[in-house]
Amino acid sequence: DVVLTQTPPTLSATIGQSVSISCRSSQSLLHSNGNTYLHWLLQRPGQSPQLLIYLVSRLESGVPNRFSGSGSGTDFTLKISGVEAEDLGVYYCVQGTHAPLTFGSGTKLEIK
Amino acid sequence: EIQLQESGPGLVKPSQSLSLTCSVTGYTITSGYDWSWIRKFPGNKMEWMGYISYSGSTNYNPSLKSRISITRDTSKNQFFLQLNSVTTEDTATYYCARGDAWGQGASVTVSS
Repeated sequence: DVVLTQTPPTLSATIGQSVSISCRSSQSLLHSNGNTYLHWLLQRPGQSPQLLIYLVSRLESGVPNRFSGSGSGTDFTLKISGVEAEDLGVYYCVQGTHAPLTFGSGTKLEIK
Repeated sequence: EIQLQESGPGLVKPSQSLSLTCSVTGYTITSGYDWSWIRKFPGNKMEWMGYISYSGSTNYNPSLKSRISITRDTSKNQFFLQLNSVTTEDTATYYCARGDAWGQGASVTVSS
């Protein structure tokens, strides 16, 4: 199975600070069809996970544009440009290029 | 707006079967997409368990292949999870999901 390594495991930020989360894959996530099936989820406390970004960099409808995704191959980054209080929770990268679908270990974002 | 809702017993005895239902509103499960079951263990670890496609085909995580079954009732717009021979290691919150939409989750404890 593809292993996704997320760093850091925890992140503490002040309101307005910009932060980045890294997701590194044990294999290239470039599919033979040219797509890269790497997505980002956020699970807020007490809520179910929600899709933030799909296919590396495409913002899901309704997600604020302070969230952005980048990367290729095996290295990917989620950036939050100006953290807001509602951004606290656990962020996951997830890959769907190689079966079975696998998740990163999560990054917990805390607000100082 | 699509909504998914899990239901089922919150406590299952070891060696028995775990059965959950996902009721979908706002979208017909035969119209498109894969309909997944995903679980989150105590801590942050997430595991994709399997899906049933809009056409009725299934795909399971090989780690569960001998114990899992996902079926559906199209007349009720529901799909189901059955996990056999459970152990305490199957204690988790179980989510049904379409990639961009998740249910609220069902907490299941395996204990005698």
